This record gives sequence, C-alpha cells and structure tokens, in this order.
Amino acid sequence: QKEVEQNSGPLSVPEGAIASLNCTYSDRGSQSFFWYRQYSGKSPELIMFIYSNGDKEDGRFTAQLNKASQYVSLLIRDSQPSDSATYLCAVKGGSYIPTFGRGTSLIVHP
Amino acid sequence: NAGVTQTPKFRILKIGQSMTLQCTQDMNHNYMYWYRQDPGMGLKLIYYSVGAGITDKGEVPNGYNVSRSTTEDFPLRLELAAPSQTSVYFCASDGARLGTEAFFGQGTRLTVV
Repeated sequence: QKEVEQNSGPLSVPEGAIASLNCTYSDRGSQSFFWYRQYSGKSPELIMFIYSNGDKEDGRFTAQLNKASQYVSLLIRDSQPSDSATYLCAVKGGSYIPTFGRGTSLIVHP
Repeated sequence: NAGVTQTPKFRILKIGQSMTLQCTQDMNHNYMYWYRQDPGMGLKLIYYSVGAGITDKGEVPNGYNVSRSTTEDFPLRLELAAPSQTSVYFCASDGARLGTEAFFGQGTRLTVV
C-alpha cells in the first residue's frame, strides 16, 4: 500500500522565521509531489508541486525533492500568522491518483 | 468558473438513514474523487472515477456507493448511515496528468447520530 508520512505537529514557529515541513513516501514509482494548504474548516488548496530532484521556489515557498531518499519538504520563509494552517503532502504515480499524508499543523505566533 | 461544487455543506443523519452527497465540476476533468477526512487525519480515498461510466474503490469504500453517468457529476451515496461515517467529505476533480492539481469542493460536514 502506498504511504505518505508526515509529522502531525503542531509545528510552532515565531513570526518571521523559516518553517520546515517534511514528508516521506513509500512508493519509489511516485513521480510528482504536491503541497496543499488547508485552513481550519476549509478545503485544501494547492501551494506548489515539484517533480524533479532539487529545489523549486515560488515566492516565500520552496519545495525540495530527493527521490533517492524518498523525501519531499516545504520551506516557508518569513512565516506569517496567516500561514497558520495544516499542510498536506500528496504524491502521484502512474495512476495519476493522489495519495495524501495526514498533514502537519503549523502555528506561526506573533 | 465554479470549479467543483459540492452539496450540502452540513447534514445530520440518524443511524440507518441514507443520503446522497452531490458533486459536480465544470472543468471537463476525467478524474474525480471522494475523500473523507477525520480529525487529525489526512484524506482517505473512498471511491474514484477515471471517466463517465468507470468507477473503482479506494482505500475506505465500505458503506458507500458511487455512480458516474456524466463527466460533470459524481454523487456519493451513503446507505444505512453509521456513527463511523461521521466525517468531513470532500469531492475533488483532477486533470489526470502528473503535474495537475486536484481541485476540491467546499466539503460536507456529516454527523450521524
């Protein structure tokens, strides 16, 4: 069974700090990797995706992928209280059906 | 462009009752999914569809049924509701490429009492 693992947290960081969120996956055939943000009581929304080894930057967000270690991470620079949410990692393989982790709760305190 | 529309937003069912959660998308996506999300847990796949007339079970299908008569609509049927089905349900659609994201409906909060 394909598994996507995330530390449930909560991860608490001060405003302005870097938040680092991690995700590991079991299926070596996984090909694309997504980070979604979910505010309390809302539906998930895409932050960014990555499919090549290395880093991908989008504004304050950087996704990092290491396929050899089966590891993907999300860095949030200059964290803001509005970044407080649950971050879901999702993985796609040949079936194109995303498998989600349980999510990491992030709290950014002023 | 409405995206994925899911109804109702909230519902309380009594044990043994049945209901249908409606989901429609206007993005012409072939892939559609139903997930449930329990507190502190991720999204568990209930059923999915890769096109009109084609459905298959996901990770947690027991107690549910689906149909896909059109590309746009993917209703989820709960038969004989049980307290274990108390959850938040999300419908999603996807362009079915490795680099395409899943778009989610606003969710249905279901309580079975």
